[in-house]
Parts: sequence; C-alpha cells; structure tokens
Amino acid sequence: DAKTTQPNSMESNEEEPVHLPCNHSTISGTDYIHWYRQLPSQGPEYVIHGLTSNVNNRMASLAIAEDRKSSTLILHRATLRDAAVYYCILRDVGGGADGLTFGKGTHLIIQP
Amino acid sequence: GAVVSQHPSWVICKSGTSVKIECRSLDFQATTMFWYRQFPKQSLMLMATSNEGSKATYEQGVEKDKFLINHASLTLSTLTVTSAHPEDSSFYICSARDTRAQPQHFGDGTRLSIL
Repeated sequence: DAKTTQPNSMESNEEEPVHLPCNHSTISGTDYIHWYRQLPSQGPEYVIHGLTSNVNNRMASLAIAEDRKSSTLILHRATLRDAAVYYCILRDVGGGADGLTFGKGTHLIIQP
Repeated sequence: GAVVSQHPSWVICKSGTSVKIECRSLDFQATTMFWYRQFPKQSLMLMATSNEGSKATYEQGVEKDKFLINHASLTLSTLTVTSAHPEDSSFYICSARDTRAQPQHFGDGTRLSIL
C-alpha cells in the first residue's frame, strides 16, 4: 500500500479552523485519499474522501494538491468534540487488498 | 445513513471461553466486512476481510482456526474468538462497505478482556 505521513500531534483552539496535513508522495492513479477519525474508546468514523478535486461535506473539506502528493483536511470551526486521532489513508479502488492500513495518525488537541 | 452496529460493547470472560462478536449493517447492504484489532496506544490492525457467502481472507499472522469469521448475509458478520486467552484481550472493531468505491463504516468496537 502507498504510505502516508502525518504529524504526530497538533493543537488548536476551539472555534478556529484546523488544517491537518498528509503527505503521500507514492500515491498511485487509482488511490483515493480517505480521512477517518477515532475518538477515545470508539471505532473510527469516516470523515471525507477524494481523488483529485477538492471535496466538501458537512464535517470537513479536503484540499488535494495538484500533483496529488499531499492533501489537507480542513475543519472549518473546531469544537471540543473534534478532539480525536485523524487518519489519512490511501485506498486503491482499482483492485487488490481492500482493507485499510492505519498509520499512527495525528492526535488533534482542541483547547477551550 | 451507513450505520454499523457491533455487539456486545464489552465482554469479560475466563480463559478458555469462546466469545462471539456480532457486526450488523443497519441501513445498507454490506457486501464486504472487515475485522480489525487494536491494542492499547496502537493503531488498528486488519485481521480479516470477508465477502458475503465466501470464506474470509485472513491477514498474515492471524490464526483462522482461532478467529472464526462468518458472513452469511448481507447485513451480518460474526467473529468468534475460540478458546480465548489473556493475550487475546483487545479492542475488536468491525467495518462494512457496500461497493468498493464506497468508504468503510465502522462499528463502535468490542472491548474483550480475558481473565
């Protein structure tokens, strides 16, 4: 699987925007960029995914670099409930193994 | 939409007991289901992938005779930990998806503690 690199942790203030970076320099043409987050003692929650174009949904926005070697998850206005571990994962929908490979993710800390 | 229910949330049992965990997709057809395991302070590790009506595919190092997976319908998969021992204590999480293009949706996990 193509690998992703994320900062171990980030800190932000409540009600401010948060930009979570992810590098994936070995991404292939059929890899979608997925973001999940995991709150303590819960299963991961799907956040957003995209292929080439920027994507928006009710939870977040995903900005994908033109060369697709990096992406940024944007939380427009962080709340305390957004404190979680955020995982950036590549999924090849072209075939092969379909299970997700979780790295260490970014531990997002939100200060009130 | 896309809700996955996992039961039980936690279980404590004696060594040597077999434990069954259920994973249900409530509002979509789960063509494929996945089972993960997470030890404290670590990331999720994929254990196995199952397609409805087929035998599960296990990841390297996961004993298929110890972790029995059944995916008999499009909404239900079960994981049975047979003859559980303290080293099997972990957080077990299932996920499910419909088509390959769809994201996986996760259950809330089962905390298994073997005494």
